[in-house]
Amino acid sequence: GAVVSQHPSWVICKSGTSVKIECRSLDFQATTMFWYRQFPKQSLMLMATSNEGSKATYEQGVEKDKFLINHASLTLSTLTVTSAHPEDSSFYICSAPLQLNTEAFFGQGTRLTVV
Amino acid sequence: SQELEQSPQSLIVQEGKNLTINCTSSKTLYGLYWYKQKYGEGLIFLMMLQKGGEEKSHEKITAKLDEKKQQSSLHITASQPSHAGIYLCGATVGNEKLTFGTGTRLTIIP
Repeated sequence: GAVVSQHPSWVICKSGTSVKIECRSLDFQATTMFWYRQFPKQSLMLMATSNEGSKATYEQGVEKDKFLINHASLTLSTLTVTSAHPEDSSFYICSAPLQLNTEAFFGQGTRLTVV
Repeated sequence: SQELEQSPQSLIVQEGKNLTINCTSSKTLYGLYWYKQKYGEGLIFLMMLQKGGEEKSHEKITAKLDEKKQQSSLHITASQPSHAGIYLCGATVGNEKLTFGTGTRLTIIP
């Protein structure tokens, strides 16, 4: 199947700093990618839809200025957690469908710890 | 926004036994997906269902979507330790965004 690569797989940062997470579709082009957040023992919560060449669409309650999404090419979307705080510590995971409304392929996820 | 409820939230099953996980939506689904995850890792795609009444099987796992396309079940036959993990149902409701259910944590005991 198609491959989605997410980097880094884990990161520890200090409060107040920013962290960038990359999501790449390795063998297909993805005009749309999705970013999720997962807290321990909970399900995945959709944060935003990343659209190539246009602004991301954020879900209700997700701060646009805190979670910056850039989809600069058909194979790369980035999520930047700005001015990170300990409460931002979580597991972030991206996905990309081959085509909309088909199977979505997921990255390996990024565990962010803010100290 | 559509909500997906999964039941049970957690399940402990003896190895070799059968089990069923349910996923219920408050709206008619366009597509219903089943994924498996070990916490802290990526998701493994299991199956996708789109047609009312559809049923798919892969190895010992069978997924069904009801005629109204609002409820799905995932059935595992003769469970094995490798089946342990978190099972997530996901759905699209025509708006192309894939959202997930509450998840079911499955533990297999010898």
